[in-house]
Amino acid sequence: AQTVTQSQPEMSVQEAETVTLSCTYDTSENNYYLFWYKQPPSRQMILVIRQEAYKQQNATENRFSVNFQKAAKSFSLKISDSQLGDTAMYFCAFMKRDSGYALNFGKGTSLLVTP
Amino acid sequence: DGGITQSPKYLFRKEGQNVTLSCEQNLNHDAMYWYRQDPGQGLRLIYYSQIVNDFQKGDIAEGYSVSREKKESFPLTVTSAQKNPTAFYLCASSENYEQYFGPGTRLTVT
Repeated sequence: AQTVTQSQPEMSVQEAETVTLSCTYDTSENNYYLFWYKQPPSRQMILVIRQEAYKQQNATENRFSVNFQKAAKSFSLKISDSQLGDTAMYFCAFMKRDSGYALNFGKGTSLLVTP
Repeated sequence: DGGITQSPKYLFRKEGQNVTLSCEQNLNHDAMYWYRQDPGQGLRLIYYSQIVNDFQKGDIAEGYSVSREKKESFPLTVTSAQKNPTAFYLCASSENYEQYFGPGTRLTVT
């Protein structure tokens, strides 16, 4: 079974600074997908970034980038130039082949961006 | 506009009653999913369906039932057998290894 661990329940960062959210996972699969989702107070789940395990290059989306370390089973999210609108819960997720490609989520990190 | 709709946004029921949560998508996706979210927890998989007229139990299916009679619809029934039904429920559909989520339904059972 795959597990996803987010070890930081809460984090805080000042506007314009950089913050890194941690995620580790456990799997015996070789090809898989990893995701970071953002859940603002509206509770809508928003895809932030996606990483395919067979790609060595780390994914980037504007101010968001990941540090994917396959051997260490680590998938951290870096947010650069943090903005007040980045305040949200962030969930790391692993796509499960054996459950119809459903997502297995970590417990989340609550990020607060302060002025 | 293409997307996933869930209704209603808030739902209140008395203990012992079954309740059905609606999920509709017009994205033409084959796969659909139901997740439950509790405070301090990530989302947990209840049921999923990869094709019409077929569905599978997820990690926490006890006390829930689903149907998939149409491609665009995947309703979830929370039965009286579910011990702690109060939660936030999210529906999703999937294509090309990406999931798209609805806005969710907050169910409160008293």
